[in-house]
Amino acid sequence: EVQLVESGGGLVQPGGSLKLSCAASGFTFSGSAMHWVRQASGKGLEWVGRIRSKANSYATEYAASVKGRFTISRDDSKNTAYLQMNSLKTEDTAVYYCARGWYADYWGQGTLLTVSS
Amino acid sequence: EIVLTQSPGTLSLSPGERATLSCRASQSLSSSYLAWYQQKPGQAPRLLIYGASSRATGIPDRFSGSGSGTDFTLTISRLEPEDFAVYYCQQYGSSWTFGQGTKVEIK
Repeated sequence: EVQLVESGGGLVQPGGSLKLSCAASGFTFSGSAMHWVRQASGKGLEWVGRIRSKANSYATEYAASVKGRFTISRDDSKNTAYLQMNSLKTEDTAVYYCARGWYADYWGQGTLLTVSS
Repeated sequence: EIVLTQSPGTLSLSPGERATLSCRASQSLSSSYLAWYQQKPGQAPRLLIYGASSRATGIPDRFSGSGSGTDFTLTISRLEPEDFAVYYCQQYGSSWTFGQGTKVEIK
């Protein structure tokens, strides 16, 4: 069974940093692209960025709203993807989901990030 | 960036009725790289349709997708009580973008 489990969310002050994790199981993680998507309360889905597989040189791409502040990485030995978030703003407050693949055939349950003083 | 515009914003229907949701892209989508998702309150989105018209594993056949180029449609042939939710379209040909969503509510 495919499972994606996010963790690491919490309360952070503006300007702070946080790192989210997405632990994967039930599929060949090393061969899959992984994405991060966020959703502010009562709002729609916003793509954050993605990292491709080793075969695709671990290429990353980011939404304009987070480029230069967020970094996606992965550790295939641990079947885990990461989202490092720096210089956080109040508008980054959202539930953060990780999702698998070319299109998102599997999603995690999400982890809540709150940026507030 | 490809912009997706969904209409209507809200669809008020009764169980058993047909639902037709629209998604329009700001530019033609190569190879119909268009997906549809269903999201219920407090839950992660669930993949319904990919490649504009292919149903994901386990999705009932009352859900169907159609379209190409810039105009796409999700049809729910007969609404079941569990189908009342928010639906998003997504393009995955050039990074990812999502439409703003259509809420299907009980009339």
